Amino acid sequence: KAGVTQTPRYLIKTRGQQVTLSCSPISGHRSVSWYQQTPGQGLQFLFEYFSETQRNKGNFPGRFSGRQFSNSRSEMNVSTLELGDSALYLCASRWTGDTEAFFGQGTRLTVV
Amino acid sequence: SQQGEEDPQALSIQEGENATMNCSYKTSINNLQWYRQNSGRGLVHLILIRSNEREKHSGRLRVTLDTSKKSSSLLITASRAADTASYFCATVITDSWGKLQFGAGTQVVVTP
Repeated sequence: KAGVTQTPRYLIKTRGQQVTLSCSPISGHRSVSWYQQTPGQGLQFLFEYFSETQRNKGNFPGRFSGRQFSNSRSEMNVSTLELGDSALYLCASRWTGDTEAFFGQGTRLTVV
Repeated sequence: SQQGEEDPQALSIQEGENATMNCSYKTSINNLQWYRQNSGRGLVHLILIRSNEREKHSGRLRVTLDTSKKSSSLLITASRAADTASYFCATVITDSWGKLQFGAGTQVVVTP
């Protein structure tokens, strides 16, 4: 069974640009959630999608958005990038919202 | 803000010794999970304990949960160098599906 796949693995962007990250969950999993990890703030929840609907959202500005497609694949978008958006972005997939989460290897975003 | 606080922040032990780390949280939970992360890569799920369970074992791992004290502990017995990693507790709060709230983590170094 293939694991959670995140693309790309590394990204370098300039302040003010926008970026789209992709996540393919484990086959059969309908819940996909996104997390931001930084040395200062640790692991912070961004949002969770289940069957194409956003069920939960963390305390991030509106520049952070996401969506989920009918095949459960998910994308997150960050517009007007700031230096502080530099982080490891992790995607997790689950069977349901309260079971174990399977994480991808993450996308390392650097904003310069 | 983070739901969980972990203690200690860092732990250095020798191979063969046991490692114990603790996690405290603030609100009612559905379940509590422990994850391991190697060097800024994706998180690996270790064990899930539900709010109505008090203890759970998986291989060399033992997790306890005390809901009256809002705390959990993870014990790794007979540590190996390969156990060197950061360990995070994460809670799923009642009625907050899909959202894992992570603690700051315990960095464990196991020396041969």
